[in-house]
Amino acid sequence: AQSVSQHNHHVILSEAASLELGCNYSYGGTVNLFWYVQYPGQHLQLLLKYFSGDPLVKGIKGFEAEFIKSKFSFNLRKPSVQWSDTAEYFCAVNSYNFNKFYFGSGTKLNVKP
Amino acid sequence: ETGVTQSPTHLIKTRGQQVTLRCSSQSGHNTVSWYQQALGQGPQFIFQYYREEENGRGNFPPRFSGLQFPNYSSELNVNALELDDSALYLCASSLEAGGDGYTFGSGTRLTVV
Repeated sequence: AQSVSQHNHHVILSEAASLELGCNYSYGGTVNLFWYVQYPGQHLQLLLKYFSGDPLVKGIKGFEAEFIKSKFSFNLRKPSVQWSDTAEYFCAVNSYNFNKFYFGSGTKLNVKP
Repeated sequence: ETGVTQSPTHLIKTRGQQVTLRCSSQSGHNTVSWYQQALGQGPQFIFQYYREEENGRGNFPPRFSGLQFPNYSSELNVNALELDDSALYLCASSLEAGGDGYTFGSGTRLTVV
């Protein structure tokens, strides 16, 4: 069965620190990869997505992620976080035929001003 | 864009009862997926509907069922409610079975007592 693992459940950073959130998935076939963010009191929003091509994808608000196929990983990065990045971040995978969508358990990011 | 709207926002039911949750998809989207998000966990995929047909299902028992209507709105029905069904239920819509990522609603908070 497919699964998505997010290794860090809770991350605390100071403003301007660099961020990297890990995501690994288990699925032998072709996948599409996503990162979603949920700000306090708001619904899930798409940060970025990878379907094919350049494994380094850029999303909104200065976030980027790198797909490393050999490691089944899709880690999220941001060079310098802001207090407004405080949120919960979810990695997600869907199968190539799009009919199933799997989320990781989420990482809560707390950025201290 | 009208976004994805879900109703009701909160609901309290008694164990053994049945519940129906509703979702209006974003304008132009023909695919709706439902997720269960328990406290402290990532969303768990329940099923997806594409053009009124079920098009993929996660590991949920048959007492979780759904419908999609010609206007692409959708219902999630849960029979014989159990205490563990208490969760946030999320609806997400997409164009053409999720290849472009999903737009999420704010969810329905179901409490089973």
